[in-house]
Amino acid sequence: QVQLVESGGGLVKPGGSLRLSCAASGFTFSDYYMSWIRQAPGKGLEWVSYISSSSSYTNYADSVKGRFTISRDNAKNSLYLQMNSLRAEDTAVYYCARARVEMATIEYFDYWGQGTLVTVSS
Amino acid sequence: QSALTQPASVSGSPGQSITISCTGTSSDVGGYNYVSWYQQHPGKAPKLMIYDVSNRPSGVSNRFSGSKSGNTASLTISGLQAEDEADYYCSSYTSSSTLEFGGGTKLTVL
Repeated sequence: QVQLVESGGGLVKPGGSLRLSCAASGFTFSDYYMSWIRQAPGKGLEWVSYISSSSSYTNYADSVKGRFTISRDNAKNSLYLQMNSLRAEDTAVYYCARARVEMATIEYFDYWGQGTLVTVSS
Repeated sequence: QSALTQPASVSGSPGQSITISCTGTSSDVGGYNYVSWYQQHPGKAPKLMIYDVSNRPSGVSNRFSGSKSGNTASLTISGLQAEDEADYYCSSYTSSSTLEFGGGTKLTVL
């Protein structure tokens, strides 16, 4: 069965960096676009970034553009999110999700991990 | 401020039907048939309930249905059950090649 397991969350000071990982299993990872989606405490979902199956295409929400970098290692069935220049407003649970795509257009997210909490505070 | 507008809360009694709206623009909801809906119980990850406006994934009850008219998509839950009490989010692809979520709707089963 499809499994997505995030790790790497924790407490970091404003201006600091953190790298999240998502280990995928139960499907052919290299066939799918993947995405990061976050949820601040008590708030709604916010799409963060996605990456194409071969890493040739990425896109980011304006709120993280220039600070976050999404990447993947298909040989290791892993997705990553490098987060730099972190701010208090980046505090959230970060989910990785598998994306379903039609003609390079993301239709929906069919599987989600359980999330990892990132807290940015001094 | 979310790009897609949902009511903050809706409620209904067991057995009744409710509808949650999701209003966007011609650059997202109105421009693409890539609207999806997610259910989230407290402390849990979101679960896909509807994709491509009106399609149900395998395993999702046929009590859940989706539709779209112009820039507004809707999720209808018929025959409300206690386990339907959760937060519901809509999502849409956008003309900027990004994804947007609605602010979420808390469904209370009375």
